Amino acid sequence: KAGVTQTPRYLIKTRGQQVTLSCSPISGHRSVSWYQQTPGQGLQFLFEYFSETQRNKGNFPGRFSGRQFSNSRSEMNVSTLELGDSALYLCASSPGTGGETQYFGPGTRLLVL
Amino acid sequence: GESVGLHLPTLSVQEGDNSIINCAYSNSASDYFIWYKQESGKGPQFIIDIRSNMDKRQGQRVTVLLNKTVKHLSLQIAATQPGDSAVYFCAERTYTGNQFYFGTGTSLTVIP
Repeated sequence: KAGVTQTPRYLIKTRGQQVTLSCSPISGHRSVSWYQQTPGQGLQFLFEYFSETQRNKGNFPGRFSGRQFSNSRSEMNVSTLELGDSALYLCASSPGTGGETQYFGPGTRLLVL
Repeated sequence: GESVGLHLPTLSVQEGDNSIINCAYSNSASDYFIWYKQESGKGPQFIIDIRSNMDKRQGQRVTVLLNKTVKHLSLQIAATQPGDSAVYFCAERTYTGNQFYFGTGTSLTVIP
């Protein structure tokens, strides 16, 4: 099976702009989780989508949002970008029925200037 | 909130030696743990997992040990190779949710 894919791989934006990142999970996986990774912070959970519904949410401001489509592909959106939003954004997929490993994509590196 | 931490942020080992990477977790309700390896420029890669009803699990050159009494997890890598150089994360998940909590990572450097 193909792995988790994320597009774009790299992105440069300026403060105040918005950005949309895309994630295609492993075929058959219905759960997609999004994480933000910054130096020294590890991975911080943003949210998880399962069957087009947000099932879990981390402690991020409302500027961070997401959605999932019927084919399980997911997008996350960040509005009104801030310098501190510069990070590697990772998505991970799993079957979603509980108790399974999450498999990560390569990430989208976002730089906010 | 959850707290998953690592004892050492960096670890250097000689090629061929065994490596031990440690992780402490705070939630006694956690029932599933994973070790991930992240190489530069890549997403985390699954290495090995263990459930709370086990205290040891072995893979190819890797062993994970779980001590629920002290809420401690370790990853042992046998005969460490230069390709093992990476950042290693432990992650935990509680029985009630599908959300994983990650430690900040340990950077392993293998010296040839």
